[in-house]
Amino acid sequence: AQTVTQSQPEMSVQEAETVTLSCTYDTSESDYYLFWYKQPPSRQMILVIRQEAYKQQNATENRFSVNFQKAAKSFSLKISDSQLGDAAMYFCAYRNYGQNFVFGPGTRLSVLP
Amino acid sequence: NAGVMQNPRHLVRRRGQEARLRCSPMKGHSHVYWYRQLPEEGLKFMVYLQKENIIDESGMPKERFSAEFPKEGPSILRIQQVVRGDSAAYFCASSPGTGKETQYFGPGTRLLVL
Repeated sequence: AQTVTQSQPEMSVQEAETVTLSCTYDTSESDYYLFWYKQPPSRQMILVIRQEAYKQQNATENRFSVNFQKAAKSFSLKISDSQLGDAAMYFCAYRNYGQNFVFGPGTRLSVLP
Repeated sequence: NAGVMQNPRHLVRRRGQEARLRCSPMKGHSHVYWYRQLPEEGLKFMVYLQKENIIDESGMPKERFSAEFPKEGPSILRIQQVVRGDSAAYFCASSPGTGKETQYFGPGTRLLVL
């Protein structure tokens, strides 16, 4: 069974600085998707970024980028120029073809003014 | 294009009562997924449905929980004889197909069992 691990229960970053959230996963599949979702205090799940496993190029969305290391089964999220609105729970998720999402336990990010 | 809609947003039930949670997927999406989030935890998969079919219910408790996605109308997650341990946020997500497409989440229903 696939598993997703986020080893940092909590992280903090100074406003305007950069922070990296870690995620590792376990799968025997070769083709899959990886996602980062953000859950602010409103608890709405918001898609931040996604990566297709067959693409070597790391995905980027504005201030958010990933470091996808397929061999190491690592999928970290980098947030540049952190803003107060970035404070939230961040969940890493894995999905294989036709299957449901498997979520990690989450990392709570605090942004300090 | 409206997003995934869930109602009610908050639901309070006493032990032994029934809870019905509704989910309307995004327009054009025929696949619905239900997840449960306990306090301070990540989302856990419960059930995956297509119109009139349950595709995967491996995450659903064997008793008291059921789900449906009729030909017309929203998907319903039904919890019979609720217990305090059922208190959680229940999220619905939808996608257009069975591939690796992104799932889009609704705002969730917060169930509190007194």
